Amino acid sequence: GQQVMQIPQYQHVQEGEDFTTYCNSSTTLSNIQWYKQRPGGHPVFLIQLVKSGEVKKQKRLTFQFGEAKKNSSLHITATQTTDVGTYFCAGNRDSGYSTLTFGKGTMLLVSP
Amino acid sequence: GAVVSQHPSRVICKSGTSVKIECRSLDFQATTMFWYRQFPKQSLMLMATSNEGSKATYEQGVEKDKFLINHASLTLSTLTVTSAHPEDSSFYICSASPMWGGGDTGELFFGEGSRLTVL
Repeated sequence: GQQVMQIPQYQHVQEGEDFTTYCNSSTTLSNIQWYKQRPGGHPVFLIQLVKSGEVKKQKRLTFQFGEAKKNSSLHITATQTTDVGTYFCAGNRDSGYSTLTFGKGTMLLVSP
Repeated sequence: GAVVSQHPSRVICKSGTSVKIECRSLDFQATTMFWYRQFPKQSLMLMATSNEGSKATYEQGVEKDKFLINHASLTLSTLTVTSAHPEDSSFYICSASPMWGGGDTGELFFGEGSRLTVL
């Protein structure tokens, strides 16, 4: 079945440092989504990427979708303590949401 | 934005009892809702897909007789953990995708989650 691998599993940075998490799918994806889960909270949708090579930005967050639509990355510039949480990618095999497969997530800790 | 409400947020029960968790979409309709289980510091494990008006679709390895799912309306799905045991203790989360304009938008909105502790 479809597998979505995410690395690193965990990263601890100093406030102000950059952070990147990578997501790789075993199969070509229709689209990929990113979610953030704060400690003790529930996942919150961040963004969806659909097009090959697509790059989207949300303030300090930059999301990329690979040309082959099998990998994606989330980069945070100049991390802040509010960025703490676990970031999940979720790959969608079809155009709908019914085949969404979540990666294991990357837990980000930011020290002030 | 779309809101999904889950209740209760925390529940403690004795081994052998059943627990019902509700998932409601407050400002949108959803023909499909999803139920996940999450262990500490781990990813979301899809348990089942709840379909309004029909039987749920369970993922491999999930016991349908133990985790009863009912999706009686377009805004409510329930998960009942029957004859709960300590190993069923976990964080259960539901999600749904809004049907704006009759089509699914793709992104999932999650409930707040329900932390079940079975003594």
